[in-house]
Amino acid sequence: DGGITQSPKYLFRKEGQNVTLSCEQNLNHDAMYWYRQDPGQGLRLIYYSQIVNDFQKGDIAEGYSVSREKKESFPLTVTSAQKNPTAFYLCASSITPWGELFFGEGSRLTVL
Amino acid sequence: EDQVTQSPEALRLQEGESSSLNCSYTVSGLRGLFWYRQDPGKGPEFLFTLYSAGEEKEKERLKATLTKKESFLHITAPKPEDSATYLCAAGPYGSSNTGKLIFGQGTTLQVKP
Repeated sequence: DGGITQSPKYLFRKEGQNVTLSCEQNLNHDAMYWYRQDPGQGLRLIYYSQIVNDFQKGDIAEGYSVSREKKESFPLTVTSAQKNPTAFYLCASSITPWGELFFGEGSRLTVL
Repeated sequence: EDQVTQSPEALRLQEGESSSLNCSYTVSGLRGLFWYRQDPGKGPEFLFTLYSAGEEKEKERLKATLTKKESFLHITAPKPEDSATYLCAAGPYGSSNTGKLIFGQGTTLQVKP
């Protein structure tokens, strides 16, 4: 079945450590996105990519980095510069930038 | 400033008790209004896209409608399995080449048997 796979589902990190969240899709979608979800808030866009080897900052990119070396993969690194990294992270893709989003199951990051 | 506000934040219904969820939006031109369903600990699942005022879409017990300022998600005779958080998102015209959406904070629906 086609879909988006995020891993790990749960991740614990000590302060000062970088962590990388994986996102893989087999939907053949060009556009991919990373969102952050916090309780009581709407999803906020971290980074997005419309094509391989190209990506743009979203609304809250500070303290995060991404790469898009393959169409299927869009990993997100949460760096030690991110002040409040504890959150639920969602990866999504779409056929076109204006189409509906298909989401992965999410990764919950907790900083100890 | 582009903004999407959903109300109520939480809604409790008895099974079979119909109701509506509201999504008010303020964006610089609307290219699309999206509804998603999210179960606890899961990623959102796409439900509907509405493009112009007066448009309606239905899926089982759910019907989404759109005006120039807001969208409603009507739930007719809900069942316990309809319990979830429903998210609304607006796509401004200027985002047609970026895919950026403005999300509301969601309405958490609980349907009791």
